[in-house]
Amino acid sequence: EAGVVQSPRYKIIEKKQPVAFWCNPISGHNTLYWYLQNLGQGPELLIRYENEEAVDDSQLPKDRFSAERLKGVDSTLKIQPAELGDSAVYLCASSPGGSGANVLTFGAGSRLTVL
Amino acid sequence: QKEVEQDPGPLSVPEGAIVSLNCTYSNSAFQYFMWYRQYSRKGPELLMYTYSSGNKEDGRFTAQVDKSSKYISLFIRDSQPSDSATYLCAMSVIQGAQKLVFGQGTRLTINP
Repeated sequence: EAGVVQSPRYKIIEKKQPVAFWCNPISGHNTLYWYLQNLGQGPELLIRYENEEAVDDSQLPKDRFSAERLKGVDSTLKIQPAELGDSAVYLCASSPGGSGANVLTFGAGSRLTVL
Repeated sequence: QKEVEQDPGPLSVPEGAIVSLNCTYSNSAFQYFMWYRQYSRKGPELLMYTYSSGNKEDGRFTAQVDKSSKYISLFIRDSQPSDSATYLCAMSVIQGAQKLVFGQGTRLTINP
């Protein structure tokens, strides 16, 4: 099994440019999460999807961030325009329903540098 | 004040030592406690999961929860260089990963 796949792994852009990150969760995992991890900090939830529905986006800065999960599988997180403070690692995670709902499986992350 | 406090380290110990990693928290409603391990340039992976107070052992790892003190610990026995990573505590009020609150992580290095 491939695990949670994220791309790109690294992205360097200039401020005010747009950027998009893609995530493919583990097959059969209905719940998908996007987390933000700043250097030396723990992950912070940005948005959670149950299938194709965003059920918790309270921490997503909606003025510049957007996300979608079409067909309830892959997801894309977009930032437009990027700011210097957006430099961080963007982690995608997924979890199954039922008794396995406690277990998050993370991808390797997409590291963004905004110049 | 953060809900979950974790000493960021770095912590450096010789191979074979017993390592103690700790987190304190302020929300007495937390019931589910986890430890994640994160290697450099990788995503976190679940290491230990416990519910309420008590101890849980898995090989060289022991997780301990003291709800009365709002304090959790992870002990690593016979530490190995391969244990070098950042260890993140995480906790939740409800079962499930919907509302996990992570500590900032402790960077651990085991020296051969």
